[in-house]
Amino acid sequence: GGIITQTPKFLIGQEGQKLTLKCQQNFNHDTMYWYRQDSGKGLRLIYYSITENDLQKGDLSEGYDASREKKSSFSLTVTSAQKNEMAVFLCASRPRGRAEQFFGPGTRLTVL
Amino acid sequence: TQTVSQSDAHVTVFEGDSVELRCNYSYGGSIYLSWYIQHHGRGLQFLLKYYSGNPVVQGVNGFEAEFSKSDSSFHLRKASVHWSDSAVYFCAVSADYAQGLTFGLGTRVSVFP
Repeated sequence: GGIITQTPKFLIGQEGQKLTLKCQQNFNHDTMYWYRQDSGKGLRLIYYSITENDLQKGDLSEGYDASREKKSSFSLTVTSAQKNEMAVFLCASRPRGRAEQFFGPGTRLTVL
Repeated sequence: TQTVSQSDAHVTVFEGDSVELRCNYSYGGSIYLSWYIQHHGRGLQFLLKYYSGNPVVQGVNGFEAEFSKSDSSFHLRKASVHWSDSAVYFCAVSADYAQGLTFGLGTRVSVFP
């Protein structure tokens, strides 16, 4: 088995601040994803990466940057945090040739 | 563009009852359909998926789902729920699963003893 680790678990930021969320997986999966989960809005795709150094924009990429430094890690940066923003950011990975995704526990963001 | 809708925001059942969670999608071509479960404060866990073949698919923990092309639906069912089934259930679709999933808004299931 494997695991997806997301750090930090809770992130509190200030308006306008640049904030970085990290995701690590030891499944050796090729593809990784970042989703944003808002209350009442389900999950929306921000970025995904098919392999190391690859980045693909999702529907919600504006306001975010991503980085796939190596196969096992995928970082997401909020370029300028919005006041009163609250959401959970979920990282996922997917094995080659299979549809199901494996999710991390999430990072809960609060912007004051 | 594919869309997915889950008509029930919240379902309340008693332990031992059956439950059906509805999922309808819109897309003109072949599509991957799946269900995920999210327990409070945790990430999503995969339950089952369908792409082709037998329209009734079995998943973990006694869950099954049935695909209907005519209804554009992929409803999830369980014959006898347990308190541990209390969670939020998400239906997800994708025309190309490599490019990520489109999720419904989720159905919260509350199981009472």
